[in-house]
Amino acid sequence: QKEVEQDPGPLSVPEGAIVSLNCTYSNSAFQYFMWYRQYSRKGPELLMYTYSSGNKEDGRFTAQVDKSSKYISLFIRDSQPSDSATYLCAIFTGGGNKLTFGTGTQLKVEL
Amino acid sequence: DAGVTQSPTHLIKTRGQQVTLRCSPISGHKSVSWYQQVLGQGPQFIFQYYEKEERGRGNFPDRFSARQFPNYSSELNVNALLLGDSALYLCASSPNLVGHGNTIYFGEGSWLTVV
Repeated sequence: QKEVEQDPGPLSVPEGAIVSLNCTYSNSAFQYFMWYRQYSRKGPELLMYTYSSGNKEDGRFTAQVDKSSKYISLFIRDSQPSDSATYLCAIFTGGGNKLTFGTGTQLKVEL
Repeated sequence: DAGVTQSPTHLIKTRGQQVTLRCSPISGHKSVSWYQQVLGQGPQFIFQYYEKEERGRGNFPDRFSARQFPNYSSELNVNALLLGDSALYLCASSPNLVGHGNTIYFGEGSWLTVV
């Protein structure tokens, strides 16, 4: 079982839709949770960062963490074609000083 | 402000050769990490360096090595290249040790193709 599981998609939605992206993880020691956006052939761009259960909002993006279920989500409101990218969840645990990534979900927002 | 800068952006090497990739972190950041991203997968952790010391190592063979310089820049070296080493190599920068309340920023990566 992978430490972080993420549906690779692809996920296709119409412009203006609410997008829900999800990851599950297995290690309860995971401490910090991040979402990155990666455009084709580019480096990952940090979108959201949180360390506690609950919701964190930033503009059209909301990150949600449920530590009891080991489940994290990213919601995108009023999705735009420019949101078309691969979204990576990343989780940090103190051991090894590393981020563990999901495989990424490919999102396409269509006009 | 400049972000994380990596060089070269693209390179092609032959099996058995050696490659050196370079990274300059964001100004003021003391920690550099290296990740390998194979097409269709998430990045995989290779190394973390903080204050010139190795502070974490992923599950990669000894052909992979790295170092950090006094100005906090870093190099990743890969010896005896294999076809499977073809990937995007990402450098990440953070103010201090990864985690501990620090956010991590990535460069655009170095695309390595081994033929």
